[in-house]
Amino acid sequence: AQTVTQSQPEMSVQEAETVTLSCTYDTSESDYYLFWYKQPPSRQMILVIRQEAYKQQNATENRFSVNFQKAAKSFSLKISDSQLGDAAMYFCAYRRGNKLVFGAGTILRVKS
Amino acid sequence: DTGVSQDPRHKITKRGQNVTFRCDPISEHNRLYWYRQTLGQGPEFLTYFQNEAQLEKSRLLSDRFSAERPKGSFSTLEIQRTEQGDSAMYLCASSPKGVSYNEQFFGPGTRLTVL
Repeated sequence: AQTVTQSQPEMSVQEAETVTLSCTYDTSESDYYLFWYKQPPSRQMILVIRQEAYKQQNATENRFSVNFQKAAKSFSLKISDSQLGDAAMYFCAYRRGNKLVFGAGTILRVKS
Repeated sequence: DTGVSQDPRHKITKRGQNVTFRCDPISEHNRLYWYRQTLGQGPEFLTYFQNEAQLEKSRLLSDRFSAERPKGSFSTLEIQRTEQGDSAMYLCASSPKGVSYNEQFFGPGTRLTVL
């Protein structure tokens, strides 16, 4: 069974600093997709970044980047130059077939 | 707004009542998904439609739950004889055909409270 583990229930970062959110997953597949979703308070979930497992290069989207370690089954999210608007719940997700399997989430608090 | 919409946004009901939620996907997205999210947890998959066909159902979807997507457009999720354990946020998502990574676009959710 595919599982996704986010070991940090809550993280804090100072505005303009960098923070890394951890995610590990378990799968027997060799080709798959991984995602980070952001869910702001009382707002809908939006995709932050995705990674195709067959690509060795880590995905980057502006201030967001991932550290994808396929052998270790690790998929961490780095947020650089943190902004107040980054405060949200962040979910790591694995795509299995037609569905997404989510971790329990990490609450990110940004201090001004 | 051309995003995924859900109605109602909030629903309070008494145990034993039936409730129905509606989801309108992004236009021309042929894939539609329902998830359930309980407090402090990530969303859990319930069911998946491709056009009007329901192709996958989770074991979480007990016989009190039924989902439909007539004509491959909007979808409804009905819960019969609600129980307090059904209290959760019900999320709908859609994705376009022909995209390998299958990004799912989520709606704002319907928060159900069963008293």
